[in-house]
Amino acid sequence: DGGITQSPKYLFRKEGQNVTLSCEQNLNHDAMYWYRQDPGQGLRLIYYSQIVNDFQKGDIAEGYSVSREKKESFPLTVTSAQKNPTAFYLCASSNSIRQGFNSPLHFGNGTRLTVT
Amino acid sequence: GQNIDQPTEMTATEGAIVQINCTYQTSGFNGLFWYQQHAGEAPTFLSYNVLDGLEEKGRFSSFLSRSKGYSYLLLKELQMKDSASYLCAVRRNSGNTPLVFGKGTRLSVIA
Repeated sequence: DGGITQSPKYLFRKEGQNVTLSCEQNLNHDAMYWYRQDPGQGLRLIYYSQIVNDFQKGDIAEGYSVSREKKESFPLTVTSAQKNPTAFYLCASSNSIRQGFNSPLHFGNGTRLTVT
Repeated sequence: GQNIDQPTEMTATEGAIVQINCTYQTSGFNGLFWYQQHAGEAPTFLSYNVLDGLEEKGRFSSFLSRSKGYSYLLLKELQMKDSASYLCAVRRNSGNTPLVFGKGTRLSVIA
């Protein structure tokens, strides 16, 4: 079955360490996205990529970095510069280039990151 | 700026009908999406509206009025498994742009 895989489901890190969250999709989607979800805050966009080797900052990109070297993969690095990294991170993809404006986002199951 | 408003919480009785409202003020509009999210899980797509009117899909319907910047999600014959958060999201521009999400409405279905 096609889908989006995020790993690991739970991740614990010490303050000051960089950590990379994995996101892989086998849906052949062109666009991929990273959102952060905090209680009472809804989903906020960190970075997105519409095509391989290209990505754009979202609303809360500071302290994060991404790469898009392959169509299937869009890893997110949470750096030590991110002031409040503890959150639920959701990766998504969409087929927007082919389907147009009505293509929904398909989400992975998320990674819950705790930094102490 | 972008503003998408939904009630924070709602409670409804099993078997009843509930309407979850969403109002939006965004720079650009190219469709509105509704997602369901159970606690700790991924959001799943429910519906999409880009033209005014009602879209029906089984027990779930979604309505849009572009002139009023308003949408609602209607859930009929509520079941306990419908207890979840419901997220309203707007696509502002062409298909390549991300969705802007509201903060979600937590629905509790009680017996």
